[in-house]
Amino acid sequence: KAGVTQTPRYLIKTRGQQVTLSCSPISGHRSVSWYQQTPGQGLQFLFEYFSETQRNKGNFPGRFSGRQFSNSRSEMNVSTLELGDSALYLCASRKDIANEKLFFGSGTQLSVL
Amino acid sequence: AQTVTQSQPEMSVQEAETVTLSCTYDTSESDYYLFWYKQPPSRQMILVIRQEAYKQQNATENRFSVNFQKAAKSFSLKISDSQLGDAAMYFCASTGGGGADGLTFGKGTHLIIQP
Repeated sequence: KAGVTQTPRYLIKTRGQQVTLSCSPISGHRSVSWYQQTPGQGLQFLFEYFSETQRNKGNFPGRFSGRQFSNSRSEMNVSTLELGDSALYLCASRKDIANEKLFFGSGTQLSVL
Repeated sequence: AQTVTQSQPEMSVQEAETVTLSCTYDTSESDYYLFWYKQPPSRQMILVIRQEAYKQQNATENRFSVNFQKAAKSFSLKISDSQLGDAAMYFCASTGGGGADGLTFGKGTHLIIQP
């Protein structure tokens, strides 16, 4: 069974641009969560999607948004990029919201110049 | 709000020895889960062990076990017979009932295995 797949692995953008990251969950998993990892703030929860609906959101500005498609694949978008958005963005999937076991991908490393 | 604290930024242990990583947490939830995740250089977070707060018995997974002290809000990870492949960042995490607000992570402990 394939694991959680995130694309691209690396991304370089400049301030003011926008970026879209993609995540394909494990087959059969209907929930996708996104986390931001930085050296200073550590790992922080961004949002979770389940059955194409955002279930909850962490403490991030509105520039961070996401969506989930009918096949459970998810995209995360960051608009008007700032230098502080440079981070590793991790996606995690789980079978459903009653299951606490998360499976993570290898992340997308975003660098904002 | 939930908080998770890992007070050891770095730990070192000789191969085949035992090491314990510390974690304390604070939550107002009555129903929650606690986790230890491992993040090797590949960056993928790998679940090491999981503990349900309402279970008294400490979780074990092969060489990995936890010491869960609910009253003290302490959740330490013991790694027995340390192996070179155990070298990684280890993160302690917690979630509330239903995981409504995602996982709250500690800052991590860098584990070094000395051959």
